[in-house]
Amino acid sequence: KAGVTQTPRYLIKTRGQQVTLSCSPISGHRSVSWYQQTPGQGLQFLFEYFSETQRNKGNFPGRFSGRQFSNSRSEMNVSTLELGDSALYLCASTLAGSSNYGYTFGSGTRLTVV
Amino acid sequence: AQTVTQSQPEMSVQEAETVTLSCTYDTSENNYYLFWYKQPPSRQMILVIRQEAYKQQNATENRFSVNFQKAAKSFSLKISDSQLGDTAMYFCAFMKPRTSGSRLTFGEGTQLTVNP
Repeated sequence: KAGVTQTPRYLIKTRGQQVTLSCSPISGHRSVSWYQQTPGQGLQFLFEYFSETQRNKGNFPGRFSGRQFSNSRSEMNVSTLELGDSALYLCASTLAGSSNYGYTFGSGTRLTVV
Repeated sequence: AQTVTQSQPEMSVQEAETVTLSCTYDTSENNYYLFWYKQPPSRQMILVIRQEAYKQQNATENRFSVNFQKAAKSFSLKISDSQLGDTAMYFCAFMKPRTSGSRLTFGEGTQLTVNP
């Protein structure tokens, strides 16, 4: 079965702009989480969505937001981009209630802010 | 809050040899899960192995095994018969299951290079 799909793979944006990243989970997976990966801060949890509701949130400013659709696909949005938002953004999905078995990750979106 | 520490930023091993990656964590929880993920240059995080804290038996997946020491809060990964394809960044991760949603807390990572 298809894995977790993230689009686009690469993105270059200018400071002050906004960006939307997309994640399609594995079929049947209802929970989608987002992580930011940078060389300085490592992997940090952004938020988790389940059944179109955000049920868990990390310590990121309000410029970072997300949503989940009825088909479990998720988008994250970053407004008023800053240079420090340059990172690899990873999406992960899991069966609801089965996160104990681990998450399946996508290949990420590499965002560069110039 | 939980923290995960990987004290070896880089390691190298010869092909076919055995290597052990270290991970320690800090938590006051009793029920939790630990994972090792591998991130090759393709960037995708791949689950290598998982361990349930309430199980004393160490997890094993083919050439990969862990040494889980709950009292010492240590969770090391042993890779036997190393292969060139094992070259990747390895992350140790902690998770406390919650009905309100869970999250992974990652260590800093260890870059493993397998040399021919």
